[in-house]
Amino acid sequence: DGGITQSPKYLFRKEGQNVTLSCEQNLNHDAMYWYRQDPGQGLRLIYYSQIVNDFQKGDIAEGYSVSREKKESFPLTVTSAQKNPTAFYLCASSQARAEAFFGQGTRLTVV
Amino acid sequence: GESVGLHLPTLSVQEGDNSIINCAYSNSASDYFIWYKQESGKGPQFIIDIRSNMDKRQGQRVTVLLNKTVKHLSLQIAATQPGDSAVYFCAVSNNFNKFYFGSGTKLNVKP
Repeated sequence: DGGITQSPKYLFRKEGQNVTLSCEQNLNHDAMYWYRQDPGQGLRLIYYSQIVNDFQKGDIAEGYSVSREKKESFPLTVTSAQKNPTAFYLCASSQARAEAFFGQGTRLTVV
Repeated sequence: GESVGLHLPTLSVQEGDNSIINCAYSNSASDYFIWYKQESGKGPQFIIDIRSNMDKRQGQRVTVLLNKTVKHLSLQIAATQPGDSAVYFCAVSNNFNKFYFGSGTKLNVKP
């Protein structure tokens, strides 16, 4: 089946640790996105990439990093510099001039 | 940039009634609009989209209306069912560069 796969579904991070969230798509989409969702709120853009080996900061990029070495993969690293990382993280992809398709999300909790 | 807002955080309707969910955006250059449905703990699912060269678009039980003059977007759901209970988001894009999301309206369908 074509789609977007995020892993893991649940992730626990200790204070001061870096963690990496995986996002893989087999839709052959050029663009990929990472969003953060806090309880009762909308989605805020962290990073996006419109082509391999290129990405741009979104509205809340501080404390996060990404890479786009392959078209199908767009991993997100939550670094220790992110002071409040507990949230629901959503990855999405889109083709030119079309809607974004979302993965099922990763819930990150700081313990 | 873009600012996207929804008029009501929560909407309660009786099963079988019609539902109307509203969204306002700020950037007059925005040209692509999408409605998503998000069930608890899952990623958003595409419902319907509309481009700025249209005022109305219909799907199965759903209609999206776009008023570019006042920068307003609405989603109408006909004969609302219990399975429609979810959070609904509008997403707004300018030249498909990136998507901006509203904070969501939680639709509660009463049996």
